[in-house]
Amino acid sequence: TQLLEQSPQFLSIQEGENLTVYCNSSSVFSSLQWYRQEPGEGPVLLVTVVTGGEVKKLKRLTFQFGDARKDSSLHITAAQPGDTGLYLCAGEGDSNYQLIWGAGTKLIIKP
Amino acid sequence: NAGVTQTPKFRILKIGQSMTLQCAQDMNHNYMYWYRQDPGMGLKLIYYSVGAGITDKGEVPNGYNVSRSTTEDFPLRLELAAPSQTSVYFCASRPTRGGTEAFFGQGTRLTVV
Repeated sequence: TQLLEQSPQFLSIQEGENLTVYCNSSSVFSSLQWYRQEPGEGPVLLVTVVTGGEVKKLKRLTFQFGDARKDSSLHITAAQPGDTGLYLCAGEGDSNYQLIWGAGTKLIIKP
Repeated sequence: NAGVTQTPKFRILKIGQSMTLQCAQDMNHNYMYWYRQDPGMGLKLIYYSVGAGITDKGEVPNGYNVSRSTTEDFPLRLELAAPSQTSVYFCASRPTRGGTEAFFGQGTRLTVV
């Protein structure tokens, strides 16, 4: 059974600070995605990474896929209150039909 | 663009009642999923479908049933509702495998009392 462990579960920081969220597994994934979910809404895709070592940037957000394609990180620089939300990672599993989801990181950025 | 449409948005059920959560997508996606999300938690897969006429169980299928008679529709049936089924239910779709984006509906908030 493929699992994705996401950490931390909860993070509350001041505006302007930097943070990193991790998504780890003992399994190899063919691709890994990061989603953000706001209260009362469904998750929305932020990025997809498919190549080991790949780095993608989305404004102040930097996403990295591990060289062995078993882990990923999301780094936010100078966090803003608008970054508040639940961040979820999802990997494409062996069956390729399902997405394997991390438990999520609830992020609160205080002004 | 409608995307993934779920109805109803909210519902209160009494223990033992049944209901169907509706999900429709207009993007001609092959893969569709039903998830439940408990407060502050991630997504748990209930059922999924890879095309019309094909469905399979996820990690928490007990107490639920699905059907996929068309590409567009993927209803989730709750039989004999129990308080443990109180949750937010999300339907999602994506075109195929290969790192494609999953599109989500707005969710159905279900309370069983």
